[in-house]
Amino acid sequence: DSGVTQTPKHLITATGQRVTLRCSPRSGDLSVYWYQQSLDQGLQFLIQYYNGEERAKGNILERFSAQQFPDLHSELNLSSLELGDSALYFCASSESGLGETQYFGPGTRLLVL
Amino acid sequence: AQKITQTQPGMFVQEKEAVTLDCTYDTSDPSYGLFWYKQPSSGEMIFLIYQGSYDQQNATEGRYSLNFQKARKSANLVISASQLGDSAMYFCAMSQSIDTGRRALTFGSGTRLQVQP
Repeated sequence: DSGVTQTPKHLITATGQRVTLRCSPRSGDLSVYWYQQSLDQGLQFLIQYYNGEERAKGNILERFSAQQFPDLHSELNLSSLELGDSALYFCASSESGLGETQYFGPGTRLLVL
Repeated sequence: AQKITQTQPGMFVQEKEAVTLDCTYDTSDPSYGLFWYKQPSSGEMIFLIYQGSYDQQNATEGRYSLNFQKARKSANLVISASQLGDSAMYFCAMSQSIDTGRRALTFGSGTRLQVQP
């Protein structure tokens, strides 16, 4: 158990819908990352937050957004969902976000029908 | 741009034998970190081992060791005494500098290891 929690574990929804994925980092970690794992794209970095502020952006679509709250939990919002958004979404956390080890949550498996 | 290459899509190893999973990387960053993660069929990503670019010695964590050859830009994972529970997908990753002080992980495509009894 990495100490990072993610909910829900599975999510099935329809095209055009909006979903919210939630992540709680390990105790003491200030930085949260979101990654997407799909069969065709592999594991891709989406976005990073540090202590409530956006720190870095990767290959995140404009239809996706995220935020980190004062209690350090984070949410990833996916809107206008398409079939191609079906993937495993991981949250990871680290102490400071400066290249140290990232610990991953169990992931949320999203299926868009 | 940073890049991680894992050239072995799949590997087989006999139980109790050692196995090496290859990883090469490309970066112009003088400071970087290299990581290996294990992803079993259940899907979670499990951190195995870390090597910093300035570390003089190869990292070891129990049965895992990282064969770091900086000049060759390789960071191979060695698993000694393979166990059936080692069957999983293994990913090599590098901390990627977005800009000063900002880093994320770039992952390779993974190697699926199957341990045979």
